[in-house]
Amino acid sequence: GAGVSQSPSNKVTEKGKDVELRCDPISGHTALYWYRQSLGQGLEFLIYFQGNSAPDKSGLPSDRFSAERTGGSVSTLTIQRTQQEDSAVYLCASSPWTSATDTQYFGPGTRLTVL
Amino acid sequence: AQSVAQPEDQVNVAEGNPLTVKCTYSVSGNPYLFWYVQYPNRGLQFLLKYITGDNLVKGSYGFEAEFNKSQTSFHLKKPSALVSDSALYFCAVSPPRGNNNDMRFGAGTRLTVKP
Repeated sequence: GAGVSQSPSNKVTEKGKDVELRCDPISGHTALYWYRQSLGQGLEFLIYFQGNSAPDKSGLPSDRFSAERTGGSVSTLTIQRTQQEDSAVYLCASSPWTSATDTQYFGPGTRLTVL
Repeated sequence: AQSVAQPEDQVNVAEGNPLTVKCTYSVSGNPYLFWYVQYPNRGLQFLLKYITGDNLVKGSYGFEAEFNKSQTSFHLKKPSALVSDSALYFCAVSPPRGNNNDMRFGAGTRLTVKP
């Protein structure tokens, strides 16, 4: 079946511009996660959605970052007024439930470069 | 708060030799532990996980990992490495009775298998 998809695969933008990154989770998965992968930094948790519950935004690095999940499916991560330090690979993952034992299924990521 | 450490940024092994990628964790209670692999330009793929039971967990592609509670470790192993195993490996930990958004990833270890 179809896995997690993300678009665009690559995004180059100028400092100060806004960007939107899209994630399509696996159909039927109730949980959706956004991570940021910077060189040598591992995966940094950003935000988590579970069904219709309020999202866990505890990992968002600043108020320039926000995310939505419409209809419990597609999610969009928005970065306003991008900075060079926002350059990274942004990964989306989904899982069937919210249990700590669940496997997360990752998309291929969006590589963001801020010039 | 839970955390995981991967003490080696890089591991190099010759094809056919055994490989070990190290992981240690810090969490209150009995943890849930995961290994993911990231091939070039791909998202993370699940390899294996320890939830409970037998300390030796077998996963995809011939990999296995041993949960060692006294040493708080969950090292990834394979008896005979293949060149195609070259990738970035991530260890992750979730706390017991938590939610999946509490999962924390290590910084990653780059495995290079030379022919």
